[in-house]
Amino acid sequence: SQQGEEDPQALSIQEGENATMNCSYKTSINNLQWYRQNSGRGLVHLILIRSNEREKHSGRLRVTLDTSKKSSSLLITASRAADTASYFCATGGVTGANSKLTFGKGITLSVRP
Amino acid sequence: EPEVTQTPSHQVTQMGQEVILRCVPISNHLYFYWYRQILGQKVEFLVSFYNNEISEKSEIFDDQFSVERPDGSNFTLKIRSTKLEDSAMYFCASSGQGSGYEQYFGPGTRLTVT
Repeated sequence: SQQGEEDPQALSIQEGENATMNCSYKTSINNLQWYRQNSGRGLVHLILIRSNEREKHSGRLRVTLDTSKKSSSLLITASRAADTASYFCATGGVTGANSKLTFGKGITLSVRP
Repeated sequence: EPEVTQTPSHQVTQMGQEVILRCVPISNHLYFYWYRQILGQKVEFLVSFYNNEISEKSEIFDDQFSVERPDGSNFTLKIRSTKLEDSAMYFCASSGQGSGYEQYFGPGTRLTVT
């Protein structure tokens, strides 16, 4: 089964607009983490939300988690051209807080200047 | 700000050769991981390491792969006899203990097997 499926696969918006990206998963989780990856580069950790949390904020980022629907969303407000990247959700399993992460395929976000 | 570092950034090797990918995790972290990403595909978990032993490994992590923490700072991934399909970006990650479950990733080593 696929764990961590993002939606949409690609998103193109104008600078200044908000970007909402969704992630669904199938099994129980300990935490869910969002990462950004610029083309061919490393994974930059954005935010972690634990299974007992519903919403977290960090700067222009807002992440929500609905464990009943097994879904999460990442909102980037007031987007900038520099936000152009691929975004991944990754779920941490219940075997332990430091268990492996299972990644989705990612969302390609393009922010037009 | 502490970060995970990896060397080399790019490694080209011939099929059948051994390669060692090196990582320096964040200094006070206790959990170490290797992931890989084949071009255009998902990031895949390979192995996790804690308290000087493997704590979890995937089906990909077969007998051709091994990990080691040779000293207090380095964490290595060895591929004994590389295959063409081992060509990928290999990421090292580390995480702390307690309330910090975030896994921080290094910049990756691009391995090209010819």
